[in-house]
This record gives sequence, structure tokens and C-alpha cells, in this order.
Amino acid sequence: EVQLVESGGGLVQPGGSLRLSCAASGFTFSDYWMSWVRQAPGKGLEWVANIKEVGSEKYYVASVRGRFTISRDNAKNSLYLQMNSLRAEDTAVYYCARVGVIQLWPHDYWGQGTLVTVSS
Amino acid sequence: DIVMTQSPDSLAVSLGERATINCKSSQSVLYSSNNKNYLAWYQQKPGQPPKLLIYWASTRESGVPDRFSGSGSGTDFTLTISSLQTEDVAVYYCQQYFNTPYTFGQGTKLEIK
Repeated sequence: EVQLVESGGGLVQPGGSLRLSCAASGFTFSDYWMSWVRQAPGKGLEWVANIKEVGSEKYYVASVRGRFTISRDNAKNSLYLQMNSLRAEDTAVYYCARVGVIQLWPHDYWGQGTLVTVSS
Repeated sequence: DIVMTQSPDSLAVSLGERATINCKSSQSVLYSSNNKNYLAWYQQKPGQPPKLLIYWASTRESGVPDRFSGSGSGTDFTLTISSLQTEDVAVYYCQQYFNTPYTFGQGTKLEIK
């Protein structure tokens, strides 16, 4: 059974940093592109970033480029999102999601999400 | 970026009746090389993550009831629930995965009338 479990969310002040983690199991993690998708309270879905199976390609939505870094450790079956210079508008539930063996594929499995709150 | 626009924003349908949700993309998401539309539909119930329902515009994900169907091509797409059930109350999103940034529609909230 495919499982994605996020952790690392919490309350952080504007300008602060946070690192999210996603533990994957039930599939060959190193075969798949992975994404982070976020959802602000009461709002819709926004794709944040994705990363190639071997980590050699990474893509970001414009609003986080230069502040967030996606990475992965295939030996640990883990996906990460390093978030720096956080802003109030980054407040959201952050989901880890599996893409496919190629980049242009739907997100077929999602974690339960971890809440990030940016506030003073 | 490709802008995805859904209509309506909310919808109330009687149990057993048909529900139809529309999605329009600002540019075509049809790849001519393989004739596939890079369009997916997700269902999100309160307090839960999204669930993939339909991909390639019309292919049902494994385990999704056959009352859910997707249609359309190019820039105009439709999600249809043929006979609404109580458990279908949710917010539905379309998404293009034709290129990055992947983009979602704003969501359509489906309720029981």
C-alpha cells in the first residue's frame, strides 16, 4: 500500500525557516517524480514544486522560487521542502504527492498534509 | 502559465440526478504527438487530501465508481457524475499537467439539493 506521511509543519514567524519531510513507503520511491502541493485555509490547491526521480531536475512555482528548495534522499525514501524567508501568504497545508515515472503525469497518491502557519 | 477556470463555483444537485462540472484551460492541453489531453480531475472531501478520479481527461482511476466520467479535448473539459450519491459531496478540481507549473482550477463545491 502506497503511503506518504508528511511532518515538520508548525508555527513560524515571518522571515523564518522550516523544513518539511515526507516519508514514502509501498512503492519504489526512486522511480517516481514527486511534488509538493499546498492549500491555504479555505482555498484551492496550488502546486509548489516537483523533483525528478534522481533529483537532477527541479521546478518551482514563481511565488516560491529562490525561497524554497525541494530535495530528496532515495536511500531514505524521503522527500523534503526547505522553506526560507517565509511570508504570511505561505500559510497552508502542505501535501506531498506522487507524480509518475515521467514528469507530465497526474498526482495519484497524496499524504494527509502538514500545516504551516506563518504569523508573528 | 496555463490558467484553469471551472464553472460553476458551486452546485446543488438532487440525489440520483446528474451533476456536471466544466473546466476550461487558457491554452490547449492536448499533445498532438500522442493525442492525449493532459487533464485530471480530483475530489476533495472535508479534512482529507485530494483523490485522483480521472486522468488523460477521460480515464477513470482504479477503484473510482463508473458514475464518474470525464470528457472533452483541447481547452474544454467536463466531469459528469451520472447519479449523485451522498458520498459525492465534495469539492472537485481540474488540473493540467501539460507543463509546469501544473495548475488547478479554483474548485467546484458540490452539495445535495
